[in-house]
Amino acid sequence: KAGVTQTPRYLIKTRGQQVTLSCSPISGHRSVSWYQQTPGQGLQFLFEYFSETQRNKGNFPGRFSGRQFSNSRSEMNVSTLELGDSALYLCASSLAGDGGELFFGEGSRLTVL
Amino acid sequence: GENVEQHPSTLSVQEGDSAVIKCTYSDSASNYFPWYKQELGKRPQLIIDIRSNVGEKKDQRIAVTLNKTAKHFSLHITETQPEDSAVYFCAASSNTGKLIFGQGTTLQVKP
Repeated sequence: KAGVTQTPRYLIKTRGQQVTLSCSPISGHRSVSWYQQTPGQGLQFLFEYFSETQRNKGNFPGRFSGRQFSNSRSEMNVSTLELGDSALYLCASSLAGDGGELFFGEGSRLTVL
Repeated sequence: GENVEQHPSTLSVQEGDSAVIKCTYSDSASNYFPWYKQELGKRPQLIIDIRSNVGEKKDQRIAVTLNKTAKHFSLHITETQPEDSAVYFCAASSNTGKLIFGQGTTLQVKP
């Protein structure tokens, strides 16, 4: 069974640009969550999607958005990039997102110059 | 809003000693408390979890305790080994897809 796959793994952008990150969950998993990981801040919750609907949202500005497709694949977008957006963005999938194990991808490391 | 506080941020122990990491949560509706281990350069992985109807759970050298009244839970690792060195994250959720993590504890086990 393939694990959670995130693309791209690494990317470099400049301030003001936008970026789209992709996440393919484990087959059969319908919930996809996104987290931002920075040193000292741990894993900060961005949002969670279930059956193409955003079910939960963290405390991030509107520049951070996402969506989920009918095959459960998810994308997140960050517009008007700022230096502080440099981080590892982790995607995690679970069967139903109702309080069970999250399976993480390896992450997309974004550097904003 | 929901918040999970985790202490200490760093912990150094000698091989064979025990390690304890503590977390407190703010949302009284929380009923699921997992712990994740993240080795350097790798993805976080679940090592143990506990639900609110249980006070303690053990899996070999790892145990978790939960005090719902005080809203805190702890991870206990006994007979630590160098391969236990990693960052450990506690988390809490209320049966929704929103899992809130603590800030992480970097555990170093010295041989």
